[in-house]
Amino acid sequence: QQQVKQSPQSLIVQKGGISIINCAYENTAFDYFPWYQQFPGKGPALLIAIRPDVSEKKEGRFTISFNKSAKQFSLHIMDSQPGDSATYFCAANSGAGSYQLTFGKGTKLSVIP
Amino acid sequence: GAGVSQSPSNKVTEKGKDVELRCDPISGHTALYWYRQSLGQGLEFLIYFQGNSAPDKSGLPSDRFSAERTGGSVSTLTIQRTQQEDSAVYLCASREPGLAGGSYNEQFFGPGTRLTVL
Repeated sequence: QQQVKQSPQSLIVQKGGISIINCAYENTAFDYFPWYQQFPGKGPALLIAIRPDVSEKKEGRFTISFNKSAKQFSLHIMDSQPGDSATYFCAANSGAGSYQLTFGKGTKLSVIP
Repeated sequence: GAGVSQSPSNKVTEKGKDVELRCDPISGHTALYWYRQSLGQGLEFLIYFQGNSAPDKSGLPSDRFSAERTGGSVSTLTIQRTQQEDSAVYLCASREPGLAGGSYNEQFFGPGTRLTVL
């Protein structure tokens, strides 16, 4: 059972464009939703995260939009740059148990000049 | 300071052999996780250590997988009688001790060990 569904699998965006990656979750106990960025040969690194008490969080060019009723959240990358080319993972966890992250399958983003 | 380190970075082994993968967490991080990343898949939780508490082994896929954490620091993931489906990148992550809402403390990932089983 895949608890966090992520789309698209891959995305090609022109430099300066907006990249949008979507995730949907099933477990209503989830209450923390981070996005991780992973470059080849590296481990994932936290990019931005949101709690469900807000509908949007912005950090620089990166914005998370959160829709609690629809159980969906998305990452928007404004003014996408070639250096943003990486694999992005959405994740979720609940404030219980071991707090392990449940990850989506990832989106490979390529930003072309 | 130093981040999470893992060794070896790459491991090639033959089917049926045992392998050991090592993780050195960030100093002071009492929580340690192992995840597995298979090609085209997200990260799959394997096991969690928190201080001296009993580990959460609920993500281990079979009894061929085991892990230990000595002295609350270094952790070793052992895979016995490796199979080709064990080929993946094994990632370790650590985070600071929890305060209120500490589940939301960032998990810091190491670079992973790429395991190839021939």
